[in-house]
Amino acid sequence: QVQLVQSGAEVKQPGASVKVSCKASGYTFTNYGISWVRQAPGQGLEWMGWISAYIGDTNYAQKFQGRLTMTTNTSTSTAYMELRSLTSDDTAVYFCARVGAVAGTWGDYWGQGALVTVSS
Amino acid sequence: EMVMTQSPATLSVSPGERATLSCRASQSVSRNLAWYQQKPGQAPRLLIYGASARATGIPARFSGSGSGTEFTLTISSLQSEDFAVYYCQQYNNWPRTFGQGTKVEIK
Repeated sequence: QVQLVQSGAEVKQPGASVKVSCKASGYTFTNYGISWVRQAPGQGLEWMGWISAYIGDTNYAQKFQGRLTMTTNTSTSTAYMELRSLTSDDTAVYFCARVGAVAGTWGDYWGQGALVTVSS
Repeated sequence: EMVMTQSPATLSVSPGERATLSCRASQSVSRNLAWYQQKPGQAPRLLIYGASARATGIPARFSGSGSGTEFTLTISSLQSEDFAVYYCQQYNNWPRTFGQGTKVEIK
């Protein structure tokens, strides 16, 4: 069965970086892409970006340009999302979702989420 | 950036009744629209993609319709497990964007 298992909760200080992992199983990793979506406490879903596990292409939301990097390790079927220069506004649950390989389409399987808390 | 507007923000419905949720795009997204259900403390669950195709395992009481800028998610007869927040998402343009959500609550 398809599963996306994310790394655990993190507490970071303002200005630090966080790297969240998303390990995929139950399907051919390179046939799909991964999108990252976050949700601040009590708020809605915010799309952050997409990476193709097939060709490595990425597309990031403009608001994260310059401090967001998405990567994949095809040998371990794992996707990574690194966000730098954290502020309290980055406190959120971060989800990964399996999406289309050529273009980030709908997310049919989701990770359980990883809570990132930014606090001094 | 494509703006997705959902209405109403909150919908109060009695079990067994029909619920109709709307999603409007600021410009045409063709049929490149998905609907998700999210319960507290859980990840979103895909319900509909391609505006009207039900995802694997989704009950037939969930249906999607629309194209262009106007879309509807209908739950024909609400069950207790359907009370949740519902989001639409367009995947026609970059960046992909979500609506702000509609909370379906028990009346």
